[in-house]
Amino acid sequence: DAGVTQSPTHLIKTRGQHVTLRCSPISGHKSVSWYQQVLGQGPQFIFQYYEKEERGRGNFPDRFSARQFPNYSSELNVNALLLGDSALYLCASSLTGTGGWNQPQHFGDGTRLSIL
Amino acid sequence: GQSLEQPSEVTAVEGAIVQINCTYQTSGFYGLSWYQQHDGGAPTFLSYNALDGLEETGRFSSFLSRSDSYGYLLLQELQMKDSASYFCAVLNSNTGKLIFGQGTTLQVKP
Repeated sequence: DAGVTQSPTHLIKTRGQHVTLRCSPISGHKSVSWYQQVLGQGPQFIFQYYEKEERGRGNFPDRFSARQFPNYSSELNVNALLLGDSALYLCASSLTGTGGWNQPQHFGDGTRLSIL
Repeated sequence: GQSLEQPSEVTAVEGAIVQINCTYQTSGFYGLSWYQQHDGGAPTFLSYNALDGLEETGRFSSFLSRSDSYGYLLLQELQMKDSASYFCAVLNSNTGKLIFGQGTTLQVKP
């Protein structure tokens, strides 16, 4: 079975531009979460979506937005890019089918975003 | 707020046992998870504790004490491939958010 897939794997942008990152969860998983990981730090929670609804949001500015589609795939959008947005962006999916939050999260390999 | 504390680095030799501690402060605690991440790779799930006590999965074990807001990951019979970063993460029952610690870099030496 395919794991969590993210695209693109690498991306280079300049300040002020916008970017869209994509994530396909494991088949059958209904929850998708996005994380930002800066080098040397742990992943920082950005968003969680479950059944196409936003269920949680981390401490990120409104320049960050996301959505989940009927097929449970998801997009993360970042506008007005800043140098500090350079990071590895990770997507994770989990089953969470019964509303229990103790399902392990399965991560994709991430998108490495570099802002010049 | 929510915070997790874990050592930044640990070094051990092949075949040894190492324990990585994690203390946390959070509201709406639901459980403590551990993830492993090799350089350039994705975090991979190792274990999850919702109740006090020890969970064993092969060479890895994880412990939780909810009254002490403390947990640890125990790695036995260390192998070179265990060299990686290890993150504890707290699951918040109110928000469903998974909050990660800063990570512990484990270096296994021959």
